[in-house]
Amino acid sequence: AQTVTQSQPEMSVQEAETVTLSCTYDTSESDYYLFWYKQPPSRQMILVIRQEAYKQQNATENRFSVNFQKAAKSFSLKISDSQLGDAAMYFCAYRSANAGGTSYGKLTFGQGTILTVHP
Amino acid sequence: EPEVTQTPSHQVTQMGQEVILRCVPISNHLYFYWYRQILGQKVEFLVSFYNNEISEKSEIFDDQFSVERPDGSNFTLKIRSTKLEDSAMYFCASSRVGPNREQYFGPGTRLTVT
Repeated sequence: AQTVTQSQPEMSVQEAETVTLSCTYDTSESDYYLFWYKQPPSRQMILVIRQEAYKQQNATENRFSVNFQKAAKSFSLKISDSQLGDAAMYFCAYRSANAGGTSYGKLTFGQGTILTVHP
Repeated sequence: EPEVTQTPSHQVTQMGQEVILRCVPISNHLYFYWYRQILGQKVEFLVSFYNNEISEKSEIFDDQFSVERPDGSNFTLKIRSTKLEDSAMYFCASSRVGPNREQYFGPGTRLTVT
């Protein structure tokens, strides 16, 4: 079974600065997707960024980028120019890309990291 | 932009009662999911549903849980006899079929069992 670990329960950053959230995962599969979801106080889960394991190029979405290290099974999220609206719980998640596997559809989440942004 | 909706936003029920949580997935999505998040804990997969049947379920999804797509738009989660430990936030999600199956989440239903 796949597991996702976020070792930082809480992180803080000054507005306009950069912060990196860590995520590691364990899987025996070679083809999968990784995601970062944001959960603000409203509790809605919002997709921030995704990475296909077969792509070597790190995904970017505006101020959000990832550092995907497949061999190390590491998937960190970098938030540049942090804004007050970035304050939220961030979840790393894994989804298998193996259509014949037992975990094809489900997302497996890490424990989450609470990000505080100081003005 | 289309979005997943869920009703009610908050449900309070007494232990032993049945509850039905409702979700309206995005209209052209065919895969549906339920997740649960106990307060302060991570989000956990409950069940996925495709082509009018369960495609996968977790060990949490025992006989007291059931899902249904009663019509062309709604997707429901029924908890037959609620327990105190069922108190949680329940999220519905939907996705297209195919490799690009990004899941879009609803705002959640907070279930409180007293």
